[in-house]
Amino acid sequence: DIQMTQSPSSLSASIGDRVTITCRASQGISNYLAWFQQQPGKAPKSLIYGASSLHGGVPSKFSGSGSGTDFTLTISSLQPEDFAVYYCQQYHSFPFTFGPGTTVEIK
Amino acid sequence: QVSLKESGPVLVKPTETLTLTCTVSGFSLSDVRMGVSWIRQPPGKALEWLANIFWSDAKSYNTPLKSRLAISKDTAKSQVVLTLTNVDPVDTATYYCARTRGLYGDPVGYFDLWGRGTPVTVSS
Repeated sequence: DIQMTQSPSSLSASIGDRVTITCRASQGISNYLAWFQQQPGKAPKSLIYGASSLHGGVPSKFSGSGSGTDFTLTISSLQPEDFAVYYCQQYHSFPFTFGPGTTVEIK
Repeated sequence: QVSLKESGPVLVKPTETLTLTCTVSGFSLSDVRMGVSWIRQPPGKALEWLANIFWSDAKSYNTPLKSRLAISKDTAKSQVVLTLTNVDPVDTATYYCARTRGLYGDPVGYFDLWGRGTPVTVSS
């Protein structure tokens, strides 16, 4: 199975900050990488697929990049609703696997 | 409007079989390149993918849980059913279903829409 890791596990940031989260796959997955946001007490929300394509309705402050084994999610100008847990997930091959998550907290 | 809704028991006893249903609307389980996955999340922990079924009836499972899981679909009822046998307290989690968009020429796909989830507690 492909293992996914994320760094950092948590970060503190202020409103208006730009933050970057890193995701790494244990083997090459091309661009078969997705990102999800999970606000407290809510279901995950799909943000990005194909490493860099935004789902409909996702604001452009979210961006993704990377290919192969290393990927990043960037959130420009953090707003209160962006404080949440972010997960990456590979869909290059079954079984699908998620990263452990990165918690973005208010400083 | 496309949506998914999970349903099932809130409380299950150890060793019993858990049966969960995902009812979809706004798309058909027979639509080409459409599928549904089940994902779970124990309290305070990360997401864990469990199983997927595609329009073609192709099925895939989480490796460690493969012997305990079964996924099926009833296209006429727009339902995907997941069963997990011999449950244990460690199976306590919120269970989500998500729509999988299959890729052209690839037997995999990405999630675009999620249900709200259904909480399940395993306890005697």
